[in-house]
Amino acid sequence: DTEVTQTPKHLVMGMTNKKSLKCEQHMGHRAMYWYKQKAKKPPELMFVYSYEKLSINESVPSRFSPECPNSSLLNLHLHALQPEDSALYLCASRPGDIYYEQYFGPGTRLTVT
Amino acid sequence: DAKTTQPNSMESNEEEPVHLPCNHSTISGTDYIHWYRQLPSQGPEYVIHGLTSNVNNRMASLAIAEDRKSSTLILHRATLRDAAVYYCILRDPASRGGATNKLIFGTGTLLAVQP
Repeated sequence: DTEVTQTPKHLVMGMTNKKSLKCEQHMGHRAMYWYKQKAKKPPELMFVYSYEKLSINESVPSRFSPECPNSSLLNLHLHALQPEDSALYLCASRPGDIYYEQYFGPGTRLTVT
Repeated sequence: DAKTTQPNSMESNEEEPVHLPCNHSTISGTDYIHWYRQLPSQGPEYVIHGLTSNVNNRMASLAIAEDRKSSTLILHRATLRDAAVYYCILRDPASRGGATNKLIFGTGTLLAVQP
C-alpha cells in the first residue's frame, strides 16, 4: 500500500454540526500533516504529528481538533465551523527524519453552510 | 521565513521541453529546494528536490544556480498530463532536522500544455 487515503471525499456540514475527517497511511510513515487549501491558493500547514505526538500547531482555531490514535491514522475533528472554513483539507505523511518527500492524499472538500 | 517567487502561469506545447523558473534569494545554506505539483482535483505530488548540484529523476530535472538564489525545474518533453500547478518550496529553517519537515508553499506556476 503506497498511498494516503482520506475520507470522506466531500463533506457538507452546518455551523452547529460536529464532524470528523479521516486520513490513513500504511507505509510506516512517522510524520503526518494536515493542510488547508482555499481555492486557487497554495496549501497552508495546520498541524504536524511526529511519532504520534503533536509537534506543530500553526495557531489553528480550537474549532479544529487533530488526533493521532496510532501511527497509521490521523483525524481532524470539526466543531462549530464558519463558512470561511470551507476549503480542501489535505493530509500528508512522511517516512521519517532523513526523508524529505511528503506523500499527499486527495483531500476532503469541505463546505460549511 | 525564506520565500520563493514564481511566474503565475506558463504555456507549453506538447512534446516540447518546459523550463519553470523559481527565485529564492533569501535561501539559507542548508535549505533544500523542493518541487511539488498539483494536478486538477488532486493533492500535491512530489517531483524532485536538491541542495546544490543539479538533480535528475524519472519525472524531471532540477537545475540549481551556483549562488543557489534561483533554480529551474525542467520537464524534458511536456505531455498533456503535465498540466498542473508547480510549486517551488523551501524547507522551513525552523524545522531543519527532525521529523517535522515544514514546507512553505509559494503561489506556484500554473502550467498549461497545448496539444
